[in-house]
Amino acid sequence: AQSVTQLGSHVSVSEGALVLLRCNYSSSVPPYLFWYVQYPNQGLQLLLKYTTGATLVKGINGFEAEFKKSETSFHLTKPSAHMSDAAEYFCAVSRSSGNTPLVFGKGTRLSVIA
Amino acid sequence: DAGITQSPRHKVTETGTPVTLRCHQTENHRYMYWYRQDPGHGLRLIHYSYGVKDTDKGEVSDGYSVSRSKTEDFLLTLESATSSQTSVYFCAISESRQGSDTQYFGPGTRLTVL
Repeated sequence: AQSVTQLGSHVSVSEGALVLLRCNYSSSVPPYLFWYVQYPNQGLQLLLKYTTGATLVKGINGFEAEFKKSETSFHLTKPSAHMSDAAEYFCAVSRSSGNTPLVFGKGTRLSVIA
Repeated sequence: DAGITQSPRHKVTETGTPVTLRCHQTENHRYMYWYRQDPGHGLRLIHYSYGVKDTDKGEVSDGYSVSRSKTEDFLLTLESATSSQTSVYFCAISESRQGSDTQYFGPGTRLTVL
């Protein structure tokens, strides 16, 4: 079985500060890992994904994440927060084929303070 | 844009009534999914489909049924709606991009069961 744990249901940062959203996963097979963002009253938008290859993955809007197998982690970072980054962020895992259903974490709401 | 539409976008219904939600896609994707989103739970899989007339249950399938009689439509039915099914429902498709499969989400349907 697969599972995802997102540490911190709510993270607050100042504008211009580092954003760090934590995600740890459990998987018995090599995982595919995803980060999605959800703005208020909208659907989910893919930020970035890890499948195979390079462990540092760059996504949209300046976000990146690093797959660390030894730590079973896939933390999301952005060097400098912008007010427009305020949203809910979901980490998700699937088995090796991306066609298999996703297992989501419970989400982390990011607030950005001016 | 993965060409996914959901209808209705909002619905209020009463306990005990049947409800059908529709997911429509325009790009002939084989895999389709229904998730529900609830505060504190993230997104959880209800049912998914891997082809016309081919479906399987997810984590929270009790009280829900699905049908897929043609590639472009995936219907989710609540046979007898209960208040615990008040939720936001998201449809997703799986699309192959950049050599791997990724799920893309529709705009969601907000369902309230009174």
